[in-house]
Amino acid sequence: SQELEQSPQSLIVQEGKNLTINCTSSKTLYGLYWYKQKYGEGLIFLMMLQKGGEEKSHEKITAKLDEKKQQSSLHITASQPSHAGIYLCGAVSYNTDKLIFGTGTRLQVFP
Amino acid sequence: SAVISQKPSRDICQRGTSLTIQCQVDSQVTMMFWYRQQPGQSLTLIATANQGSEATYESGFVIDKFPISRPNLTFSTLTVSNMSPEDSSIYLCSVTKSGGSTDTQYFGPGTRLTVL
Repeated sequence: SQELEQSPQSLIVQEGKNLTINCTSSKTLYGLYWYKQKYGEGLIFLMMLQKGGEEKSHEKITAKLDEKKQQSSLHITASQPSHAGIYLCGAVSYNTDKLIFGTGTRLQVFP
Repeated sequence: SAVISQKPSRDICQRGTSLTIQCQVDSQVTMMFWYRQQPGQSLTLIATANQGSEATYESGFVIDKFPISRPNLTFSTLTVSNMSPEDSSIYLCSVTKSGGSTDTQYFGPGTRLTVL
């Protein structure tokens, strides 16, 4: 079955620093979603990538899907406390056609 | 996009009781999903709820424990029955919306359930 693994599991950065979160799939990705979850709340859709080599940006967050479509990265530039939360990657499962999620990355940003 | 609301937002329940969670979407959708997020873990799909048919449950989840209703294209309920402390989780409703050539899945704010 397809699995998504995220790294790192947790990240603590100082405000203003850049950071990158990775999501690696055991199979080819046919759609990769990035979500943000504030502690104990629902998920906020950030962006979706479909094509190999695709890159999207929203405010200070940039997501990329590699050419082989098995790895995605989420990059935050000049992090702020408002970026704190859990970042989850999700993908439509190759086997079941259902959305599966990565293990999550907990981000803390301190002033 | 889709705007999804859930009720209640949180609840504290006694062991052995049942809780029904409501999910309301601001537009008609074909597919609705229910997820569970146990403390410190990622999301697990419980079931898919399609209007006009029985919900489809994932491995490890059964209808007796998590009965689902889907009376129309904008509403669904999930009941957590005969609760135990292991059911303490965030329960999330989700829908898929089509936008041109792509489908995007949106999530509700979640219901935080604590079972004592």
